[in-house]
Amino acid sequence: SQKIEQNSEALNIQEGKTATLTCNYTNYSPAYLQWYRQDPGRGPVFLLLIRENEKEKRKERLKVTFDTTLKQSLFHITASQPADSATYLCAPGVPNRDDKIIFGKGTRLHILP
Amino acid sequence: GAGVSQSPRYKVAKRGQDVALRCDPISGHVSLFWYQQALGQGPEFLTYFQNEAQLDKSGLPSDRFFAERPEGSVSTLKIQRTQQEDSAVYLCASSLSTGGGETQYFGPGTRLLVL
Repeated sequence: SQKIEQNSEALNIQEGKTATLTCNYTNYSPAYLQWYRQDPGRGPVFLLLIRENEKEKRKERLKVTFDTTLKQSLFHITASQPADSATYLCAPGVPNRDDKIIFGKGTRLHILP
Repeated sequence: GAGVSQSPRYKVAKRGQDVALRCDPISGHVSLFWYQQALGQGPEFLTYFQNEAQLDKSGLPSDRFFAERPEGSVSTLKIQRTQQEDSAVYLCASSLSTGGGETQYFGPGTRLLVL
């Protein structure tokens, strides 16, 4: 069955450093992959989408890579700030299922001042 | 414009009670999704509508769970004879169209506690 793995432990990063979050998937080949941010008590908020024919996508301080050979996506936040502290969810698309996505468990990120 | 809204925000139910959770998607959004999120987990897919048609209900955990979207806008998720394992946050999301990779806009969720 389709399986998505994200860093299971919380990640603590010093303010100003780059935070790197990992998403690995097995048993399928998504055509695209989305990243969402979720704050406590709120619904997820879309951040970035990367398609299988794209190696890298950037948006302000965010960068996402997508390696279809390794079946992995990396999510980077450069010049991290305490306000970046949240849970980050990886969500690959389901092949041939239009806009259905499957979420990973998420990685809790703490940016330490 | 208004985002996705859900009501109630919190619901406490006694085991065996029926509950109904409402989702108001963004106006004009074709697709609507329901997810269940347990503490410390990612959202788990429950069901999906394209306008009023329920195209995928493979994630509904049992026949006690029922969802509808009769006019292609507001949706209701109903849980009959609630059990303690139904306690979770129920998230609703909508997206503008049906192409692959469309952004999903989430509501704040309904936190259900079954005693």
